[in-house]
Amino acid sequence: KQEVTQIPAALSVPEGENLVLNCSFTDSAIYNLQWFRQDPGKGLTSLLLIQSSQREQTSGRLNASLDKSSGRSTLYIAASQPGDSATYLCAVSEGDYKLSFGAGTTVTVRA
Amino acid sequence: KAGVTQTPRYLIKTRGQQVTLSCSPISGHRSVSWYQQTPGQGLQFLFEYFSETQRNKGNFPGRFSGRQFSNSRSEMNVSTLELGDSALYLCASSLEAGLAGAGELFFGEGSRLTVL
Repeated sequence: KQEVTQIPAALSVPEGENLVLNCSFTDSAIYNLQWFRQDPGKGLTSLLLIQSSQREQTSGRLNASLDKSSGRSTLYIAASQPGDSATYLCAVSEGDYKLSFGAGTTVTVRA
Repeated sequence: KAGVTQTPRYLIKTRGQQVTLSCSPISGHRSVSWYQQTPGQGLQFLFEYFSETQRNKGNFPGRFSGRQFSNSRSEMNVSTLELGDSALYLCASSLEAGLAGAGELFFGEGSRLTVL
């Protein structure tokens, strides 16, 4: 059974600092990995999707890397802003029409 | 382009009742999946539908059921509600990419169910 772990569970940084969020998974036979953002009481917003054949994806200040062989992905957020405060979730797809989610990392960016 | 729409957004039920939640996917998306989110268990997969066929189901009791219509809209039903069913129920749609489950998922705002 796929297990997805996100460490740390919570993170607090001053504005302007770069954020590094970690995600690990136990079974490397994945189709893709997706990073989401969730604001309190809201749904999930897709940030980046990395297919298994890719090593990284970038969108604006966000960059996500994927190392399938070691079962790891990292989400980098450059020059953090208070608006980046949210819970960030990673999820993997194993090709069985479902995602397995981590518990998330709650980020607070202090102004 | 409209996103994934879920109704109702909030509802309160009592134990033993049943509830039906609705999800309208992004136009053109044919895959719809459902997830339950609770503080203790996080996000857990309920089921996934494509062209009115359930392709996968999570580890939930038979009280949880779903269906998909020909226009790709989906509903999920929970019968004989229990206190533990209180959760945020999230629907996601995907433009089937050909590979099983390899498409990007887009989520709705969720339906928050409280069972008293």
